[in-house]
Amino acid sequence: SQTIHQWPATLVQPVGSPLSLECTVEGTSNPNLYWYRQAAGRGLQLLFYSVGIGQISSEVPQNLSASRPQDRQFILSSKKLLLSDSGFYLCAFRVKGLGRNSPLHFGNGTRLTVT
Amino acid sequence: KNEVEQSPQNLTAQEGEFITINCSYSVGISALHWLQQHPGGGIVSLFMLSSGKKKHGRLIATINIQEKHSSLHITASHPRDSAVYICAVRSISTDKLIFGTGTRLQVFP
Repeated sequence: SQTIHQWPATLVQPVGSPLSLECTVEGTSNPNLYWYRQAAGRGLQLLFYSVGIGQISSEVPQNLSASRPQDRQFILSSKKLLLSDSGFYLCAFRVKGLGRNSPLHFGNGTRLTVT
Repeated sequence: KNEVEQSPQNLTAQEGEFITINCSYSVGISALHWLQQHPGGGIVSLFMLSSGKKKHGRLIATINIQEKHSSLHITASHPRDSAVYICAVRSISTDKLIFGTGTRLQVFP
């Protein structure tokens, strides 16, 4: 079966420190991968998506970057965190070949607090 | 005005009640999704609709394309249904998903 693992579940980091959130997918090859941010009172916002290894598309300008070093690994990073980076981050994948409206499968999310 | 609006924002119910959550959108869409976000944060896809009605267990989702409106119904609600329910639409013009802000449902025994 297809599963997605995202860690850590919670993270408290000081302003100016680096960030690395990791997401891995099992049970399918070459998935489309996504990073979303969920801010209080707002809908999920797509940050990055990837259709293959090394292929990253950024949706919004920001202090974050993403990388896909392996087929089923997606990493969200920052060199120096800002207070405004606090939020709930969700990784998701979609199996290719089932249509653009096939289900998104989400990880359990990471709650990031920048202090 | 958000392109996807959900109502109500918060909803409380007694166990056994019939629940309705509404979603209205202002863009042309190819599909509409209903998602459930558990208290811990994980999100599960419930339905994808492009027309008509779908049913899964106690959950029913309907969509009216002409009125740009969808409803999610829960029959015989149970405390385990307590979650945030999120509506998302895929825009025809941008081909991107646009998410509503969610409806927080609490069902009390």
